[in-house]
Amino acid sequence: GDSVTQMEGPVTLSEEAFLTINCTYTATGYPSLFWYVQYPGEGLQLLLKATKADDKGSNKGFEATYRKETTSFHLEKGSVQVSDSAVYFCALREINFGNEKLTFGTGTRLTIIP
Amino acid sequence: NAGVTQTPKFRILKIGQSMTLQCTQDMNHNYMYWYRQDPGMGLKLIYYSVGAGITDKGEVPNGYNVSRSTTEDFPLRLELAAPSQTSVYFCASITEGPNTGELFFGEGSRLTVL
Repeated sequence: GDSVTQMEGPVTLSEEAFLTINCTYTATGYPSLFWYVQYPGEGLQLLLKATKADDKGSNKGFEATYRKETTSFHLEKGSVQVSDSAVYFCALREINFGNEKLTFGTGTRLTIIP
Repeated sequence: NAGVTQTPKFRILKIGQSMTLQCTQDMNHNYMYWYRQDPGMGLKLIYYSVGAGITDKGEVPNGYNVSRSTTEDFPLRLELAAPSQTSVYFCASITEGPNTGELFFGEGSRLTVL
């Protein structure tokens, strides 16, 4: 079945450091891929998405490229800020015969220290 | 725009009590979901619905029930609360179509069973 494997956390970085959070997936078809972010005390919200191979999703300085050959969708940011401290979830969405399936990774907690 | 609204935000239950978590969305989405998020863990799907009158089990449905009498509302019922149901519950709805798939989450309901 479908699955999403995320880099285990927690991850602690200094402000302005480079961030990579790894995400790989298994799926039977051609899923859409997402990164969601959860700030403390809030629900999840969409950070970025990519719907087909080689697409790059970007938002708020974060980027992720849909790599079909490596089944990956790694999240990157060139210079993190304290306000980026949150939990990040990789997810995939697949539609088979009209049935929609969403699968989430376990989340990676990111803490940025000043 | 209200989006997805969940109530209550916090609740403490005694073992064996019952309660209903309310979820309402005003975006006319057909697909709605209930997830639970245990401390340090990812999201697990409890139940989902693809439209009014249609519901189906997710990964962890035991101890819960749902109904979907209208497009807007998707309540989750706990019949006999158990300590294992202590968790944060998120309701979500999704845009439809092959290239969308953004989940909109409520702010969450933190439930403690003592």
